[in-house]
Amino acid sequence: GAGVSQTPSNKVTEKGKYVELRCDPISGHTALYWYRQSLGQGPEFLIYFQGTGAADDSGLPNDRFFAVRPEGSVSTLKIQRTERGDSAVYLCASSQQGMGSPLHFGNGTRLTVT
Amino acid sequence: GESVGLHLPTLSVQEGDNSIINCAYSNSASDYFIWYKQESGKGPQFIIDIRSNMDKRQGQRVTVLLNKTVKHLSLQIAATQPGDSAVYFCAEKSNNFNKFYFGSGTKLNVKP
Repeated sequence: GAGVSQTPSNKVTEKGKYVELRCDPISGHTALYWYRQSLGQGPEFLIYFQGTGAADDSGLPNDRFFAVRPEGSVSTLKIQRTERGDSAVYLCASSQQGMGSPLHFGNGTRLTVT
Repeated sequence: GESVGLHLPTLSVQEGDNSIINCAYSNSASDYFIWYKQESGKGPQFIIDIRSNMDKRQGQRVTVLLNKTVKHLSLQIAATQPGDSAVYFCAEKSNNFNKFYFGSGTKLNVKP
């Protein structure tokens, strides 16, 4: 079956611009996660949705980062006034129940801020 | 997990040998653990999981061992193949929170 889909796969933007990253989870998965991965490091938690609501956004680094999941399926991660330090791979994952179920990851969006 | 920068620990093994990748976790309240494999340019891929009420679980060519006393997790890969070359991450979930924390990863290099 279809896995987690993330678009675009690559995004290059200039410092100060606004970007949106999209995630299509596995159909029927109620939990959706965003992680960020820098080169040579493990994924770092950003935010977790259960259904439409953000159940835990404690990993968002500052108020330039925001994510939505209005219909409980597709999610968009939004970054305002991008900075060079935002350059990373942004990974999305979904799981069936959220509690005690493995995360299934997409291939990520590689964001480069010039 | 803690960041260790750009220099991932690397394990080099000969094709056909067994591999053991280790992970130390930090939270004694963690109740669920997963091993992921990540190839270049791809997202982490689920390999095997284990819950805290178990100390061993086997899959196809892989075994995960959990030692809660010393907060240690290991992944054993039998008859390692070139296709096993990747970065391997352990991830832990606290029983208090529904999010996973990842270790910094180990790069497995399989020599043909």
